[in-house]
Amino acid sequence: KAGVTQTPRYLIKTRGQQVTLSCSPISGHRSVSWYQQTPGQGLQFLFEYFSETQRNKGNFPGRFSGRQFSNSRSEMNVSTLELGDSALYLCASKLTGANYGYTFGSGTRLTIV
Amino acid sequence: TQLLEQSPQFLSIQEGENLTVYCNSSSVFSSLQWYRQEPGEGPVLLVTVVTGGEVKKLKRLTFQFGDARKDSSLHITAAQPGDTGLYLCAGGWQGTDKLIFGTGTRLQVFP
Repeated sequence: KAGVTQTPRYLIKTRGQQVTLSCSPISGHRSVSWYQQTPGQGLQFLFEYFSETQRNKGNFPGRFSGRQFSNSRSEMNVSTLELGDSALYLCASKLTGANYGYTFGSGTRLTIV
Repeated sequence: TQLLEQSPQFLSIQEGENLTVYCNSSSVFSSLQWYRQEPGEGPVLLVTVVTGGEVKKLKRLTFQFGDARKDSSLHITAAQPGDTGLYLCAGGWQGTDKLIFGTGTRLQVFP
């Protein structure tokens, strides 16, 4: 069965631009989360979605937003990009419930220049 | 605020040695998961533990959840170069699929 697909894999943007990242979860997984990974901060929680509803949001500024569609696909958007937004953005999907673990995508490597 | 602290941060060992990685928190979790991440890829789930005191074995890897569900350990027996990677613990709670990840342990196993 297909894994979690993130597009694009790599992206280079300049400061002030905006970006949209896409995530297609494993079929049947309605829970989708996003994480930002940087060498200094590790994996930081961004958002958690279930059935098109944002259930949790991490401690990130309002420039970071996301949404989930009826087919469970998700997008996240970052506006007014800053140098510090350079990171690996990871999407993960799972069956709902604490007993289940995440399946992660390979991530989108975002570089701000 | 980092809720989950892992130690050691870095570990460099020879093939065949044993090692233990620790994951500690002041918070109580409903579940604790361990992942391994290789360069350029997302983390891959190794195990989920949900009961205090639970021990799970996955070939040469042994995972334990603390009795109070605040800490966990990962023990690798006879490490192999294929075990090289970033090991991450992650804690979760009932009623949410949000996970908090630990600070990570980077393991290098030399042949």
